[in-house]
Amino acid sequence: DAKTTQPNSMESNEEEPVHLPCNHSTISGTDYIHWYRQLPSQGPEYVIHGLTSNVNNRMASLAIAEDRKSSTLILHRATLRDAAVYYCILRVEGNYQLIWGAGTKLIIKP
Amino acid sequence: DTGVSQDPRHKITKRGQNVTFRCDPISEHNRLYWYRQTLGQGPEFLTYFQNEAQLEKSRLLSDRFSAERPKGSFSTLEIQRTEQGDSAMYLCASEAFNTGELFFGEGSRLTVL
Repeated sequence: DAKTTQPNSMESNEEEPVHLPCNHSTISGTDYIHWYRQLPSQGPEYVIHGLTSNVNNRMASLAIAEDRKSSTLILHRATLRDAAVYYCILRVEGNYQLIWGAGTKLIIKP
Repeated sequence: DTGVSQDPRHKITKRGQNVTFRCDPISEHNRLYWYRQTLGQGPEFLTYFQNEAQLEKSRLLSDRFSAERPKGSFSTLEIQRTEQGDSAMYLCASEAFNTGELFFGEGSRLTVL
């Protein structure tokens, strides 16, 4: 199974953009890149996913490198409520399997 | 529908006792997942249902663990003869077929004394 690598933690200031990196050098052509986040004492929450093209939704943007070996989750204007652990996961389309790493703990400073 | 609900939210039990967790998924979702999560780690896959059929079980799921999803609706996860190593958060998630988006419940935290 292809794996992802993320920094253990990152800090950002409130109301500034946040760029969360993810490396996935062994990604295969059928792997989608998924992002989830987990707030303290809650279950994970879906953020966004994509295959090749950059994706935008109301929560975030996903920028995917041309060679697909890395991606970046962009929070355009971080708030204190965005403090969470962010997981970058690869998933084959339609496959049940998601392999979760330890994620990146995002700390937002007021 | 308010999302995925899990019950109980917290369970403290003594080693050797049996425990059962219930998950009510979003009603139109045909896929249901169970995960286990320990402190500081990401969720670990336990098992997966499509409708009422259990299609995959992790090697983590020893014979003390059993999961069911009768009629393809709610699901139960039972742990028999609990051990201290079973202490964890048990997460349930549901998904409409092939949408790529899992909806998680808030989890059931198990503490085995």
